[in-house]
Amino acid sequence: EIVLTQSPATLSLSPGERATLSCRASQSIGTYLAWYQQKPGQSPRLLIFDAVNTVTGIPPRFRGRGSGTDFTLSISSLEPEDFGVYYCQQRSTSLTFGGGTKVEI
Amino acid sequence: QLQLQESGPGLVKPSETLSLTCNVSGASITSRSHYWGWIRQPPGKGLEWIGTIYYSGSPYYNPSLKSRVTMSVDASKNQFSLRLNSVTAADTALYFCARSYASSDYFDPWGQGALVTVSS
Repeated sequence: EIVLTQSPATLSLSPGERATLSCRASQSIGTYLAWYQQKPGQSPRLLIFDAVNTVTGIPPRFRGRGSGTDFTLSISSLEPEDFGVYYCQQRSTSLTFGGGTKVEI
Repeated sequence: QLQLQESGPGLVKPSETLSLTCNVSGASITSRSHYWGWIRQPPGKGLEWIGTIYYSGSPYYNPSLKSRVTMSVDASKNQFSLRLNSVTAADTALYFCARSYASSDYFDPWGQGALVTVSS
């Protein structure tokens, strides 16, 4: 099973600051990685697919980078609505999710 | 607009079978471009993929759950279903149904989720 390790577990930032989230795979997954945002009481929403592609309608401040085993999600300038939990997911071998990074104020 | 809605019992006894249905509206479950999946989230924890099904193909499952999971599609009702047998308290979770994003194994959109508690 491919294990995805997300760090940090919690990121405490203020609106306007830049957020950088990490997702590391236990083996190479190419670019078969997605990022989701989940707000309290809501279902997850897909933000980035295949590591670097932004879903239609997602603001350009969200950017995905990486390949192989190391991936990052950057949020250039945090808006109040960006606070929540972010998960990565791989589809290279079966499907697994990372444990999540909570972005809090 | 596509909407997915999970339904089923909110309480299941240990060793029994959990059954959920996802009703799809705003799109056809026989779409050639999409797959349909189940994902769960234990209270306060992360996400776990359960399985994915294509309307005309064989489902594929999380290896850790494969021996207990069955997924099926009912095209006449535009819905798909999940059965998980021999449940334990560890199966207590919010169960989401979702559509694949294009023909990938990513998911979007998701239903609102159905909480299933395993308890006697």
